[in-house]
This record gives sequence, C-alpha cells and structure tokens, in this order.
Amino acid sequence: DTGVSQDPRHKITKRGQNVTFRCDPISEHNRLYWYRQTLGQGPEFLTYFQNEAQLEKSRLLSDRFSAERPKGSFSTLEIQRTEQGDSAMYLCATDRGQETQYFGPGTRLLVL
Amino acid sequence: GEDVEQSLFLSVREGDSSVINCTYTDSSSTYLYWYKQEPGAGLQLLTYIFSNMDMKQDQRLTVLLNKKDKHLSLRIADTQTGDSAIYFCAEIRESGYALNFGKGTSLLVTP
Repeated sequence: DTGVSQDPRHKITKRGQNVTFRCDPISEHNRLYWYRQTLGQGPEFLTYFQNEAQLEKSRLLSDRFSAERPKGSFSTLEIQRTEQGDSAMYLCATDRGQETQYFGPGTRLLVL
Repeated sequence: GEDVEQSLFLSVREGDSSVINCTYTDSSSTYLYWYKQEPGAGLQLLTYIFSNMDMKQDQRLTVLLNKKDKHLSLRIADTQTGDSAIYFCAEIRESGYALNFGKGTSLLVTP
C-alpha cells in the first residue's frame, strides 16, 4: 500500500453513460498525475496537477475527459459519454516535487 | 511508450538471476525507473537511477545504466516465485514531469 487511494476499484458502465473516479493522494504530496493503462501496454500519461492547477494535458485527453483538483488535495477524473475504447485501468500517482511517483491501485473501467 | 522498449517475456528458474533490459531514446532523460505490477494491481516502485550514475544496488536488485547506448537493465538476484510480475521501465524527461513507460516485461519464475 503506497498511501494513494482510488475509488471505485472497479466500474462497469454502459456505453454513453458518464463515470467519475476519485484519487486521494498521500497528504503532503502536491503533485498528482492521471495515467491510463490498456491491456498489454504500459501506462500512458493523461494529465498532471500541481496543487489545484492543471499544468499539463496529454493529447490522449479528449474533450469527453475532464479532471479537477479543486482544493489541491483529492482529484476527480470524469469521462462523459463513455465509449468501449475507454475501457482501461485508470491510475493515479502522486509525488511532492521530488523524483519518485507513487501509484494508487487503479480503477478498472469496463464499458459495455 | 513509443520511446521506451523492452522485451515482452522472460522465464527463469527459481534461484537463478533475472536480467530485464530496456532501451530508451530521449537523451535528456534525467531519471530512469523500474516499476513492478502484479495482476490486477497498481504499480510498485522498485528502484530508480539518476542519469549521472551507472550502477545502483538495492538488496537483490542491481540497476545498470549505459547512457552512451541508452540501455538500462534490472538484475534480480536469487529470483523467487513471488517475483513473477510485469516489470516496467520508465523515463522522466528533463522537460516534463510525466513518466513515459515501456510496454512491460512479463517475468515468469518457475520452481
């Protein structure tokens, strides 16, 4: 257990529905990252926050995806109008501005 | 990650050493990492090396970095069945914060 928690751990939804995932970082970590991992691949970067500011977004983050970190603590990742291609593991990682990112257990999404 | 490459599979016998290799292409990479992922789980940081080092040892793990050839390796001594997992090599670039991962090497340790 790294101290980074994610909720829910699993989510099954129908195509077209909206889903929201939550990440709670290690308390003193001011940087938070979202990654997506599909089967047989390594994680791919989606977006990054320093405190409450979203500083970087990957081109993978389509306009159906939105992430927030309103008070610089927990973060949410919302996917609107889900598609089957969104099925993946969504991973959150945090650090405190040093060189090591610690990952949560992930949220596994299945879109039917 | 299209810039980080790893072999996909490795099988070793329990008690032998495992060597997992990785190549990267971004010469500005400052840190290089090895993560371990067990089935259905998140990523566990195993070790990392700064780009001005060429070796780092941590208990059963030895990381070797050849910066000239952009080659990174992870050696696991006395491999155990509990070491069976997927191992990811990752780089973090000086210009950014994101980790860029390889596709992972699936290590199978047989009794």
